[in-house]
Amino acid sequence: DGGITQSPKYLFRKEGQNVTLSCEQNLNHDAMYWYRQDPGQGLRLIYYSQIVNDFQKGDIAEGYSVSREKKESFPLTVTSAQKNPTAFYLCASSTDRGPKTQYFGPGTRLLVL
Amino acid sequence: AQTVTQSQPEMSVQEAETVTLSCTYDTSESDYYLFWYKQPPSRQMILVIRQEAYKQQNATENRFSVNFQKAAKSFSLKISDSQLGDAAMYFCAFGTASKLTFGTGTRLQVTL
Repeated sequence: DGGITQSPKYLFRKEGQNVTLSCEQNLNHDAMYWYRQDPGQGLRLIYYSQIVNDFQKGDIAEGYSVSREKKESFPLTVTSAQKNPTAFYLCASSTDRGPKTQYFGPGTRLLVL
Repeated sequence: AQTVTQSQPEMSVQEAETVTLSCTYDTSESDYYLFWYKQPPSRQMILVIRQEAYKQQNATENRFSVNFQKAAKSFSLKISDSQLGDAAMYFCAFGTASKLTFGTGTRLQVTL
């Protein structure tokens, strides 16, 4: 089945630690995105990539980093510079043509110990 | 920069009735798309319906339809014959060539 997978479902981070969230898609989509969702709020864009080996900052990129070495994969690293990382993280992908409808993975819940 | 406003934090509807969720947006773009996404308790974001701004005809998907008023920058979602499974957060989103901008959501409750 085609889709987007995110792992892990839950992730715990200690102070000063970097953690990486995985996002994989087998939809053959060119573009991939990372969003952060805080309680009672909408989604805010962290980073996006429209092609392999290229990515752009979104609205809240500080404290995060990404890579796009393969079309199928777009991992997000939450660095120690992100002082308030507790949130729900959603990955999405879309084609690079037409309305660019974004399809989402099931999300990762990140908690700080 | 685009902004999306959902002025109804919560709505309630009885099963089998019709409910309309409101959304307004602000943009200077001429080429864009509008979306409604549903987020059930599982928190998976599910596409409900999509509207291309260049199309005058309102989009419909089974029990879901939109009222797209381009001049007023309004994009409301109508859910007909509401079902218990429709209970969720609903997010309106504005899309350009590179990104989506989301509203803060409307929580829909469906009662018996």
